[in-house]
Amino acid sequence: QQQVKQSPQSLIVQKGGISIINCAYENTAFDYFPWYQQFPGKGPALLIAIRPDVSEKKEGRFTISFNKSAKQFSLHIMDSQPGDSATYFCAASIRGNDMRFGAGTRLTVKP
Amino acid sequence: DTAVSQTPKYLVTQMGNDKSIKCEQNLGHDTMYWYKQDSKKFLKIMFSYNNKELIINETVPNRFSPKSPDKAHLNLHINSLELGDSAVYFCASSPGGGFPLHFGNGTRLTVT
Repeated sequence: QQQVKQSPQSLIVQKGGISIINCAYENTAFDYFPWYQQFPGKGPALLIAIRPDVSEKKEGRFTISFNKSAKQFSLHIMDSQPGDSATYFCAASIRGNDMRFGAGTRLTVKP
Repeated sequence: DTAVSQTPKYLVTQMGNDKSIKCEQNLGHDTMYWYKQDSKKFLKIMFSYNNKELIINETVPNRFSPKSPDKAHLNLHINSLELGDSAVYFCASSPGGGFPLHFGNGTRLTVT
């Protein structure tokens, strides 16, 4: 049973556009929601994370929007660049333990 | 210096063989994990160790046995390999409190 559902499975965006990836979770005990970025042949790397006591967190071109009542959170990548092309995973955990990942979104940014 | 290192990077073996994957972290983290990434990129936790003690053991065939000789090392031994074991296996570590996860670069296991 997948506890974190992620969409879309793949996404193609033009350079300079906005990439949006969505995730939904079921377990209301989750209290930590990170996004990971994975390039081919590499392990996932933490991109940005949020806790449920805030509705938005921004780091550079990357923003997480969090809707606690809807149990949804999303990643927005502003001014998307070809170098952003990677697989993105949302995740959720309880006090950092037992991290559960979404199925991943393969983002392609076309020049 | 690599924070979480795994060896080997590639592992090709035949069905029925036994193999091991090694993982070491130099971050001083308390917790280490094994994740399996299948061909569809889905990441699934297999095991978690905290200070050499097993704390998460997902529904994984008992052919998979993790071993943590010390806090900085977590190895994965797989007996009687099957075709369905083909995947990329990631080791990860995290500090006390469990976040963030730091992943190694994976071991691509191919069972023929």
